[in-house]
Amino acid sequence: NAGVTQTPKFRVLKTGQSMTLLCAQDMNHEYMYWYRQDPGMGLRLIHYSVGEGTTAKGEVPDGYNVSRLKKQNFLLGLESAAPSQTSVYFCASSFSGRARSYNEQFFGPGTRLTVL
Amino acid sequence: DQQVKQNSPSLSVQEGRISILNCDYTNSMFDYFLWYKKYPAEGPTFLISISSIKDKNEDGRFTVFLNKSAKHLSLHIVPSQPGDSAVYFCAASEVENDMRFGAGTRLTVKP
Repeated sequence: NAGVTQTPKFRVLKTGQSMTLLCAQDMNHEYMYWYRQDPGMGLRLIHYSVGEGTTAKGEVPDGYNVSRLKKQNFLLGLESAAPSQTSVYFCASSFSGRARSYNEQFFGPGTRLTVL
Repeated sequence: DQQVKQNSPSLSVQEGRISILNCDYTNSMFDYFLWYKKYPAEGPTFLISISSIKDKNEDGRFTVFLNKSAKHLSLHIVPSQPGDSAVYFCAASEVENDMRFGAGTRLTVKP
C-alpha cells in the first residue's frame, strides 16, 4: 500500500498563476484533509471532505478550492496564487472525523510551494 | 489565535536520557490530545494520544501526561534514542474534523 501520496513534491509559481495539488489515498478512507504548514505555526486546516462529492471549509480556506470527485482523490486548487500562499501543503486521510488513537490521520509527504 | 502552543522550538538531549516535550492549550473544550512525529521530507505520523478523562497514557518508551487544570500536556521519551530525532507536533481536538496543531518542537538526540 502506498498510503497517502501527493503530487507534485515541489512547485514554484509566479503571482497570479494557478495550479492544482493532487492527493491520493489507497486506504479506502472516507475523510480527507488539506493542511498548510508555515514557519512558527502548526498545521492549519484549509478544507476537508467527509466523502466523495462533499467538501467543507476549514480554518484557513480563503484563496483555495477543493474537489472530491473520486473517493480516493482530493484536489486542492489555487486559482490565482499569492506570495502569502507560499507554504508546505499536507494532505491527510482517516476513516472518520473524530480524532482518536484508533482513527489516526495518515499524512502524505507534503508539497513545498513557493509563490514569487 | 493559536489554541495549541509549543513554546520550545528545539530541544537537545543525550542518548539514554529523558526527553520532555511540552505543550500548552487555551481551549478548555478540547477533549482529545495527540502527538505526531515528523521526519524531514515525510508527513507527520501518529505517535500517542490521550483522552481528557485520563491524566496519563503510556506506550513503550513514550508517555503522555495531561494536566487539565493547567491546560498542559507533555510527552516523555525514556530512554531517548538517536532515531527519535524529529519534529514533534502536539495536537488537540474538540469537534469532528477540527484538529489544532502546535508549531512543533525539533528534538535532537545526540549519541
